[in-house]
Amino acid sequence: QVQLQESGPGLVKPSETLSLTCTVSDGSISNHYWSWIRQPPGKTLEWIAYISYSGGPKYNPSLKSRVTISVDASKSQFSLKLTSVTAADTAVYYCAKLMVRGVTPWYFDYWGQGTLVTVSS
Amino acid sequence: EIVPTQSPATLSLSPGERATLSCRASQSVSTYLAWYQQKPGQAPRLLIYDASIRATGIPARFSGSGSGTDFTLTISSLEPEDFAVYYCQQRSNWLLTFGGGTKVEIK
Repeated sequence: QVQLQESGPGLVKPSETLSLTCTVSDGSISNHYWSWIRQPPGKTLEWIAYISYSGGPKYNPSLKSRVTISVDASKSQFSLKLTSVTAADTAVYYCAKLMVRGVTPWYFDYWGQGTLVTVSS
Repeated sequence: EIVPTQSPATLSLSPGERATLSCRASQSVSTYLAWYQQKPGQAPRLLIYDASIRATGIPARFSGSGSGTDFTLTISSLEPEDFAVYYCQQRSNWLLTFGGGTKVEIK
């Protein structure tokens, strides 16, 4: 079964760019939709963006102006960049695979373990 | 707001009891709704999708029902490992959103 692993800095300074990468273990990155979700401490989950190898990205409107998601099939990785971060962006960031219903990505069926990113000077 | 509403926020029950969790979608989603379980320090796990289909490896004591805007997750007899937070998730156009969660705690 697919395994996902997030990597990236655990501490980012305010106003800088948060960059994370998710590595997909089974070589299936070209066949599925991939997503980033975050969870501030003690709060619920917030979907950030998703992408497929062959399709354009989709972003949460609340973050769209600051977010870029991309996929690198040659490395079996997909990535997240979030610019101009503030303390409100402190959260556990998860990467996940999306289950498709028909042709539409709908549910998150495989998750990485998550990585805590703290925004602080 | 395009976010599902979960109730109650907290459910205090004893092992062996039946748990009934509710989720109200912000608009009709037919049966396109999922439930996730999250334990402290762990990633969420998909339990139920399409309102009533158990994901791979999920025990039969977990069941989901509902359609339109009102959905229910039932745990028929709580095991010690079931005490956790449960989230529902919907899709509206391309926006994927989670409810605020229901914490099932030991009474």
